[in-house]
Formats: sequence, C-alpha cells, structure tokens
Amino acid sequence: AQSVTQPDIHITVSEGASLELRCNYSYGATPYLFWYVQSPGQGLQLLLKYFSGDTLVQGIKGFEAEFKRSQSSFNLRKPSVHWSDAAEYFCAVGAPGGGADGLTFGKGTHLIIQP
Amino acid sequence: DAGITQSPRYKITETGRQVTLMCHQTWSHSYMFWYRQDLGHGLRLIYYSAAADITDKGEVPDGYVVSRSKTENFPLTLESATRSQTSVYFCASMVLAGREQYFGPGTRLTVL
Repeated sequence: AQSVTQPDIHITVSEGASLELRCNYSYGATPYLFWYVQSPGQGLQLLLKYFSGDTLVQGIKGFEAEFKRSQSSFNLRKPSVHWSDAAEYFCAVGAPGGGADGLTFGKGTHLIIQP
Repeated sequence: DAGITQSPRYKITETGRQVTLMCHQTWSHSYMFWYRQDLGHGLRLIYYSAAADITDKGEVPDGYVVSRSKTENFPLTLESATRSQTSVYFCASMVLAGREQYFGPGTRLTVL
C-alpha cells in the first residue's frame, strides 16, 4: 500500500527566511503528487501538483516543489516566508492509472513563523 | 456561488444517534470523497464515489454509510455514532483528468 511520510511535525522559521518541507512517499510507480495547505479552521487548498514532465513545479503563493524519483521525495520550498504562511501543510499522493480512489495524505507539518 | 459546501459546519450529538453530514458541489465533478481528519493521523479516506450510484470504501469505512443519488450531493451517515467518530469531516470533489481534489470547509462533529 502507498504511504506518505512528512518527517517534521513542527517547523519554526523566521519571517523572510527560506523554507523547505520534506515529503517522502512509498509507491510502486510514480504517483500523482500534491501539496495542500490548511489554515486554522479552514479546508484544504491546493498549492501545487506534479504528474509528469519538469520535475520542478511552481504553485500558488510563491511555493515550488521538486520531484526526485531516486529519493521518492517531493519537497516543498519557498525562498522567503511571510507571517501569513503559518499553517498546516500536507503532502498527498494519488494512484497513477485510469481510476481514482482517493488521496493518501501525510500527517502534516505545522509551520510556525517567528517575527 | 460555485464550489463545494458542507452542512452543518458544527454538530454535537450523543452516542448511538444517527447523524447525516451533507456535501454539495456545483461543478458537476464526477468524483466525490469523504475524509476524516484526526490529530496525528492527517486525513484518512472514508468513502468515495466515481459517479451517481457508484460508491466504494476507503481506508476507514466502518460505521459509515454513503449514498449518491445525484451527482452534486454526497451525504455521509453515521448510523449509530460512537465517541471514536468525533472528528473533522471533509468532503472533496475531483475531475478525473486533473486529479486535484477540491475540499469543502469541513464539519466538526463531536460525539458525547
């Protein structure tokens, strides 16, 4: 069965500093890969996705992620964080192929921004 | 407004009662999903539906029932609520080609 690991439960970053959130997945083939953000009391918003092609993908709010097949990783990055980036971040994978049976989510990384 | 809505947003119920959580989407997406979110577990799939009258179990289906008589609605029923079903429930919809899922605002359910 597929699985997603987000090794960091909490990360604290100073405002203006760079950010990298880690995500590793276990899957037989290259899955669909996603990063979602959840602000307190809110639903999940899609930041970016990877299906194929260029392994560096750009998303909304200045985020990017890089797919590394050899490391089974899909890390999220931002060059300079803003206080409004404080939220919960989820990495998720979806099965490749013709069907769709839901996403498998990591347990999330809670991002804290220090002033 | 277009989008995906859930109702109620908050619900408190008692053990043994039946509870139905509603989900409605205006995009006519074929796929819909129910997840529950618990601290330390992330989101886990309860049930999903590929189209009207087609549903299938996810990772944690026990104690839940779904139906989908219309494309736009996907209600989730807890037939006899238990304390372990206290959670935040999210509904999502998806267009198969793009694979990205769009989430509703969630329903916070407390079972006493």
